[in-house]
Amino acid sequence: ETGVTQTPRHLVMGMTNKKSLKCEQHLGHNAMYWYKQSAKKPLELMFVYNFKEQTENNSVPSRFSPECPNSSHLFLHLHTLQPEDSALYLCASSPPYRGFGDEQFFGPGTRLTVL
Amino acid sequence: EDKVVQSPLSLVVHEGDTVTLNCSYEVTNFRSLLWYKQEKKAPTFLFMLTSSGIEKKSGRLSSILDKKELFSILNITATQTGDSAVYLCAALETSGSRLTFGEGTQLTVNP
Repeated sequence: ETGVTQTPRHLVMGMTNKKSLKCEQHLGHNAMYWYKQSAKKPLELMFVYNFKEQTENNSVPSRFSPECPNSSHLFLHLHTLQPEDSALYLCASSPPYRGFGDEQFFGPGTRLTVL
Repeated sequence: EDKVVQSPLSLVVHEGDTVTLNCSYEVTNFRSLLWYKQEKKAPTFLFMLTSSGIEKKSGRLSSILDKKELFSILNITATQTGDSAVYLCAALETSGSRLTFGEGTQLTVNP
């Protein structure tokens, strides 16, 4: 288990459901990230938070809503998702040196299936 | 648009073989090139390369960056079955917040 934890590890939801993904890092980092990994596609950066402020929103549909209450916790709220949103959602954090830091530490991911 | 391309997409070798994985990038405001290994879920960090021509080494793995030709290679010598994984290459831009990933190379090492 890494210093970045994610819950739940697996989630199945219907298109009308509302659910949330949680990420927690115990590494003292100040930047946190959400990525989406679909089959046979590169990791796609979704959101970046630095010191709880959102600094990047990579054209993500509004049905994905991030929340970062503090530097250790990051949420991804999901509502009215589509089947094509089924993917592995990875959270990462990076150290506070040189601004954002270079090396990102990843959590184990949440495997999301939208029916 | 920033782009990272890895090749080959998949590779099957026998234990003891040496492999070279390739990564080319087109990234505005390039800062560093990172390599990750993804076995099941979470990618784990291998190398970060910022300077051209300086080889980084960790055990049987080594990597080098060519900023003139915009590519990097990852070498694995004397491969073992435990090296089987997807190897991801990612380019970091200067703000430090955006990592653009390639599709990955699926390496399978057979006994």
